[in-house]
Amino acid sequence: NAGVMQNPRHLVRRRGQEARLRCSPMKGHSHVYWYRQLPEEGLKFMVYLQKENIIDESGMPKERFSAEFPKEGPSILRIQQVVRGDSAAYFCASSPGRNTGELFFGEGSRLTVL
Amino acid sequence: KNQVEQSPQSLIILEGKNCTLQCNYTVSPFSNLRWYKQDTGRGPVSLTIMTFSENTKSNGRYTATLDADTKQSSLHITASQLSDSASYICVVSMDSNYQLIWGAGTKLIIKP
Repeated sequence: NAGVMQNPRHLVRRRGQEARLRCSPMKGHSHVYWYRQLPEEGLKFMVYLQKENIIDESGMPKERFSAEFPKEGPSILRIQQVVRGDSAAYFCASSPGRNTGELFFGEGSRLTVL
Repeated sequence: KNQVEQSPQSLIILEGKNCTLQCNYTVSPFSNLRWYKQDTGRGPVSLTIMTFSENTKSNGRYTATLDADTKQSSLHITASQLSDSASYICVVSMDSNYQLIWGAGTKLIIKP
């Protein structure tokens, strides 16, 4: 039983480059959530997606950040023109439905911007 | 305003001792309350989920309580082990929608 798979686990980018983080939810889950966590801080909600739809992106910065969850393939969190402040751990979680119980988290992708 | 507050912010105890972590919430309408454990550098893992009608739920050495009247929850850890060192996060789910209100977590350190 594969859990939520995130890759890459670690990503290093220089300022101005693009970062793409991928998340494959658990089998049978069609709801994906992305969270950001700065060192020594709690998780901050970014975006909630269902297959092919963005349900809530209220936690996502208006510029440079985008997310998608296509009909086929993993969910992608894309950060364009990265800056040092984007350095963080990005966690993906999935659930079988809306507000149907626990979220299952991946191990996170750690982005370091030089 | 919908909020979840946890206390203490951090806690250090000796191995083998018990401890209790607190969570107060002002979320309405309430659906359920969850406790997650997050080891350093790892993703959060669910410990318990409690609905409005549940007062106590145990998962091994972890026991969660919920008082829906006072809007308080606690997580009690019995006979602590070094592997219990982690952040413990309280999350409240709002009824009628998907929103989750996250607490800032309690950082627990178990010393040998």
